[in-house]
Amino acid sequence: ILNVEQSPQSLHVQEGDSTNFTCSFPSSNFYALHWYRWETAKSPEALFVMTLNGDEKKKGRISATLNTKEGYSYLYIKGSQPEDSATYLCAFNTFNTDKLIFGTGTRLQVFP
Amino acid sequence: DSGVTQTPKHLITATGQRVTLRCSPRSGDLSVYWYQQSLDQGLQFLIHYYNGEERAKGNILERFSAQQFPDLHSELNLSSLELGDSALYFCASSADRDTLEETQYFGPGTRLLVL
Repeated sequence: ILNVEQSPQSLHVQEGDSTNFTCSFPSSNFYALHWYRWETAKSPEALFVMTLNGDEKKKGRISATLNTKEGYSYLYIKGSQPEDSATYLCAFNTFNTDKLIFGTGTRLQVFP
Repeated sequence: DSGVTQTPKHLITATGQRVTLRCSPRSGDLSVYWYQQSLDQGLQFLIHYYNGEERAKGNILERFSAQQFPDLHSELNLSSLELGDSALYFCASSADRDTLEETQYFGPGTRLLVL
């Protein structure tokens, strides 16, 4: 069974703190890793799609790294702001399937 | 706004009933995906359609069915509803299934409550 695990389940930080969380996935037959940001009462919004081992992506204060050999990805948020509060989902797909397998997410709460 | 629309936003119905959820993909997108989000569970892939044809099935119950029409909108039909079918149902679309790293754009979801 293909499984994606995210940790921690939830995180509470102060405004200005930097934070990071982890997504673990099976490394065999890996094709792509996706990060989504999901705010309450909205739909998941795509942040990054990563395919290559060692890949790093950046979007403003948010960045992500990928290690396909050991099966993990990190998402970093530098200088967290209250508007970063959301659930961050990762998902991956394997070769020959466009079916995304999602983790249960990391719920981030940033306090002013 | 992702450009993916879903109707209705909320649906309350009784056990044993049948409902239809509708999704319109982003303009030009050929792929439509359906996901179910139950309490304390991650998004579970249900089914994928590409240009009118079923491409992949996930954990979709036999009581559930879907189709994609020539205008590319999709419907998810849920029948003989049970309490456990209460969930948030998302539709997502992407442009081209041949690009596996294609980003999927999610609609706002339909929240189904079965009483």
